[in-house]
Amino acid sequence: QKEVEQDPGPLSVPEGAIVSLNCTYSNSAFQYFMWYRQYSRKGPELLMYTYSSGNKEDGRFTAQVDKSSKYISLFIRDSQPSDSATYLCAMKDGANSKLTFGKGITLSVRP
Amino acid sequence: GAGVSQSPSNKVTEKGKDVELRCDPISGHTALYWYRQRLGQGLEFLIYFQGNSAPDKSGLPSDRFSAERTGESVSTLTIQRTQQEDSAVYLCASSMTGVGYGYTFGSGTRLTVV
Repeated sequence: QKEVEQDPGPLSVPEGAIVSLNCTYSNSAFQYFMWYRQYSRKGPELLMYTYSSGNKEDGRFTAQVDKSSKYISLFIRDSQPSDSATYLCAMKDGANSKLTFGKGITLSVRP
Repeated sequence: GAGVSQSPSNKVTEKGKDVELRCDPISGHTALYWYRQRLGQGLEFLIYFQGNSAPDKSGLPSDRFSAERTGESVSTLTIQRTQQEDSAVYLCASSMTGVGYGYTFGSGTRLTVV
């Protein structure tokens, strides 16, 4: 079993839809959780960073962490065509540790 | 600079040749990471430099891979005797140390071994 599992894709939704992206993990030592967005032929860019269970909101994006279930989610409200990208979850066990990434899911938002 | 700079952006090499990839991190970022991304795959950790500590080389796939970093500046990733399975995008990232800091990635070097 991989340390971080991410829902397989690709995912295609109409503009304005609510998108839910999910990851599960097996290492209970993971404490810090991130979501990255990667456009084609670009490096990943940090979207959200959380380190406690619960929800964190930033504009149209909400990151949710459930440490008891070892499950994290990213919700995108009012999705836009510009949200079309690959989304990667990532996590680490210490402040200065390396990140372990999920495989990524490709999202397409249709106008 | 404003971001993480990687060069070259694209590299095509013949099987068996050595290649050197360069990463210029954000000034002041003490940590530097190399990851590999194969087509349709997630990011695979290769190596991690943190200040003057010994690097974490646990992700290097074979002894054909090596990396160096001078102080808190430029890093080079060297692949000797390249194989076709080395074809991938090699991503470099840097970060500050401590809680609350995510990585800033470069755009990567797309390596094709023919």
